[in-house]
Amino acid sequence: QKEVEQDPGPLSVPEGAIVSLNCTYSNSAFQYFMWYRQYSRKGPELLMYTYSSGNKEDGRFTAQVDKSSKYISLFIRDSQPSDSATYLCAMSRGSGNTGKLIFGQGTTLQVKP
Amino acid sequence: NAGVTQTPKFQVLKTGQSMTLQCAQDMNHNSMYWYRQDPGMGLRLIYYSASEGTTDKGEVPNGYNVSRLNKREFSLRLESAAPSQTSVYFCASRLTGDEKLFFGSGTQLSVL
Repeated sequence: QKEVEQDPGPLSVPEGAIVSLNCTYSNSAFQYFMWYRQYSRKGPELLMYTYSSGNKEDGRFTAQVDKSSKYISLFIRDSQPSDSATYLCAMSRGSGNTGKLIFGQGTTLQVKP
Repeated sequence: NAGVTQTPKFQVLKTGQSMTLQCAQDMNHNSMYWYRQDPGMGLRLIYYSASEGTTDKGEVPNGYNVSRLNKREFSLRLESAAPSQTSVYFCASRLTGDEKLFFGSGTQLSVL
């Protein structure tokens, strides 16, 4: 069983829809939770970063962490065609672990105009 | 500000050939990483260097070697390429104490 599970999709939504992307994990030691966005033929870029449980909002993006359920989510409001990309969740046990990240498989999102 | 720069962007090798992937960062980061990305597998850590002069194995190190040439540069070497090493390779760096990684644009490698 992988430490981090993510539905690979693909997920196709109309422009303006609310998108929900999710990951589950098995290691309760994870403390840092990230979402990376990866456009085709590009490297991943950090989108959201959360420490421990709770919500974090940045513009149209909201990241949620529920450590009791070992579940993290990324919500995209008013989705745009420019949001079409692969979204990767990532997590780590903290700075004592030299920053090694464990990634989910990535979910491919397509937002249709 | 270039960030993390990888060369080459594309490479085709024959089985048994060797090559070195180059990576350089200009953000004064202490730690550098090599990941590979395969369909359905996400990103997997090959090797990392927590600081200049140190290197350690990650999740999938077999068939690879690394060199931390200086603080800026971290290279990945395939001594005898195999078809199973066909993948997209990403270099990344981070500042000590920060969990966020900054990635290069990747090297697409095909081994025939």
